[in-house]
Amino acid sequence: SQQGEEDPQALSIQEGENATMNCSYKTSINNLQWYRQNSGRGLVHLILIRSNEREKHSGRLRVTLDTSKKSSSLLITASRAADTASYFCATDSRAGTASKLTFGTGTRLQVTL
Amino acid sequence: EAQVTQNPRYLITVTGKKLTVTCSQNMNHEYMSWYRQDPGLGLRQIYYSMNVEVTDKGDVPEGYKVSRKEKRNFPLILESPSPNQTSLYFCASSPRQTYSNQPQHFGDGTRLSIL
Repeated sequence: SQQGEEDPQALSIQEGENATMNCSYKTSINNLQWYRQNSGRGLVHLILIRSNEREKHSGRLRVTLDTSKKSSSLLITASRAADTASYFCATDSRAGTASKLTFGTGTRLQVTL
Repeated sequence: EAQVTQNPRYLITVTGKKLTVTCSQNMNHEYMSWYRQDPGLGLRQIYYSMNVEVTDKGDVPEGYKVSRKEKRNFPLILESPSPNQTSLYFCASSPRQTYSNQPQHFGDGTRLSIL
């Protein structure tokens, strides 16, 4: 079942602008992860935020997590053409003794010069 | 270089002809998983393995088999492929997946077309 839902489905911005993508989910989580997928390639892990964290930074990436609203956002600042990709949130939740990663449907980001 | 390797990258085949997609990781990871990616549906988990000889069903296991005889390999088997299994498949691994907070490493994908 799909837990994470990204919004918007597609986003087009110009180089230098900021890009914000949102993710909503339904059940309690251990952590939430964001991944990037370039066209025709596998997913690459960007950042992980634990359920007891509210904000995390990594370079030009800023992730927030609001567990009361069951939502997260990914902000890419000063975007570049190379940021063009699909971005997925994935929720890590408990499933017995294992943790299970459930992906959303993704946001397609287009950064134009 | 740490990586997850899938083969083949592309395959066109016909209904009913058994096929195997191999997956190998060189990071000594305990956890491995298979996903399929379809437009509008995101990634859905097919099967996963917590360690050698330990496998379990994901969300969409019907029509697939897996095995985990060695830590590094986790092949996906389609005994009798059907057109609805046409998809982009990804293998992933992580150090462990028990009460963990760890990202997964993905292969580059295998695009399967079943005619």
